[in-house]
Amino acid sequence: DAGVTQSPTHLIKTRGQQVTLRCSPKSGHDTVSWYQQALGQGPQFIFQYYEEEERQRGNFPDRFSGHQFPNYSSELNVNALLLGDSALYLCASSTGTGDQPQHFGDGTRLSIL
Amino acid sequence: QKEVEQNSGPLSVPEGAIASLNCTYSDRGSQSFFWYRQYSGKSPELIMSIYSNGDKEDGRFTAQLNKASQYVSLLIRDSQPSDSATYLCAFTVGYSSASKIIFGSGTRLSIRP
Repeated sequence: DAGVTQSPTHLIKTRGQQVTLRCSPKSGHDTVSWYQQALGQGPQFIFQYYEEEERQRGNFPDRFSGHQFPNYSSELNVNALLLGDSALYLCASSTGTGDQPQHFGDGTRLSIL
Repeated sequence: QKEVEQNSGPLSVPEGAIASLNCTYSDRGSQSFFWYRQYSGKSPELIMSIYSNGDKEDGRFTAQLNKASQYVSLLIRDSQPSDSATYLCAFTVGYSSASKIIFGSGTRLSIRP
């Protein structure tokens, strides 16, 4: 039973560039949430996708956008990258309503130079 | 007031002792509560979920919830060196499909031999 998979594992970008991160949810899960985790901090909620629509959003600027595909996989896009966007980006999947336990992928480590 | 408060630690506990981790939250409407374990450089792993007041036991782990005091705790009995990690508490904000999960910044636990 495949768990949550994320790609790429690591990514290095420069300021002003754009990046796309990808996530495939755990088998049987239909809800995907994205989190940003800075060093020494807990995961910060970015947004959640269900039925190909953004259902909930955290306090992140519009530079952060996403998409969910019919097979439940998801992408996180970040435009105009800033140094402060350097972090571990975590994808988590769950079923149905937003209050179910989240199961995390291994994350994508994004470094902005 | 922060949505969730955790002592960042580090909390040092001798091997074989009971480790006690605590978390307070601000949203009185929260219904679902979770404890995650995160090893350094890894993604969070779900340990326990609790939805009702009282205690819930799973092996060496016991989660305790007191909604009136807005307090949730995690007890780890017979602590092992492999329990050394950061423990994140998390809870839901909002209702059902409109809810999202908020994480604390985590408590670093160190089990000394």
